[in-house]
Amino acid sequence: SQQGEEDPQALSIQEGENATMNCSYKTSINNLQWYRQNSGRGLVHLILIRSNEREKHSGRLRVTLDTSKKSSSLLITASRAADTASYFCAPRGQGGSEKLVFGKGTKLTVNP
Amino acid sequence: NAGVMQNPRHLVRRRGQEARLRCSPMKGHSHVYWYRQLPEEGLKFMVYLQKENIIDESGMPKERFSAEFPKEGPSILRIQQVVRGDSAAYFCASSPPGAGPNNIQYFGAGTRLSVL
Repeated sequence: SQQGEEDPQALSIQEGENATMNCSYKTSINNLQWYRQNSGRGLVHLILIRSNEREKHSGRLRVTLDTSKKSSSLLITASRAADTASYFCAPRGQGGSEKLVFGKGTKLTVNP
Repeated sequence: NAGVMQNPRHLVRRRGQEARLRCSPMKGHSHVYWYRQLPEEGLKFMVYLQKENIIDESGMPKERFSAEFPKEGPSILRIQQVVRGDSAAYFCASSPPGAGPNNIQYFGAGTRLSVL
């Protein structure tokens, strides 16, 4: 089954700095999604990038996808304290179940 | 349009009791997923249901756990004879029909189960 592995496991930065987190996976994908989880809350979908796309933007978020390296990165620019959360990637295969398979995530702390 | 509603938010049970967790999907969503999260871990898939059907239960423990999504009413995750190891946050997500691998799942706020 598809599972992404996020790296680093934890990241601490100052407000205003950029945060980059990475995701690696093992098999071919149809798309890859990023989700955010604030402490004690459910996950919130951030962005979906299809396998034929290389880069996608949404507000302060920029996601890249390199299918040859089987990796994706999520960049948050001009970070804010409210961005403090755990971030998870979910690679989606071509077929099979619609379930999401998550790694342990990257825990981002943005210090004011 | 209300989001995915889960209740209760917190549930305390003694060992051996039953736990019932409820999930009402977003309006128009016919696909429901249940996930479990242990502290400092990612979410682990448990079961995927459509109305009146279990589509994928590959993540469900073989015993004591069951799930349903009836034609009317919320989806229910039922844990019989709870043990301390069942203590976790249980999240429900829903998605609309027809999106296939491009579906986006919308999550509820979760139910935190504590087994004493």
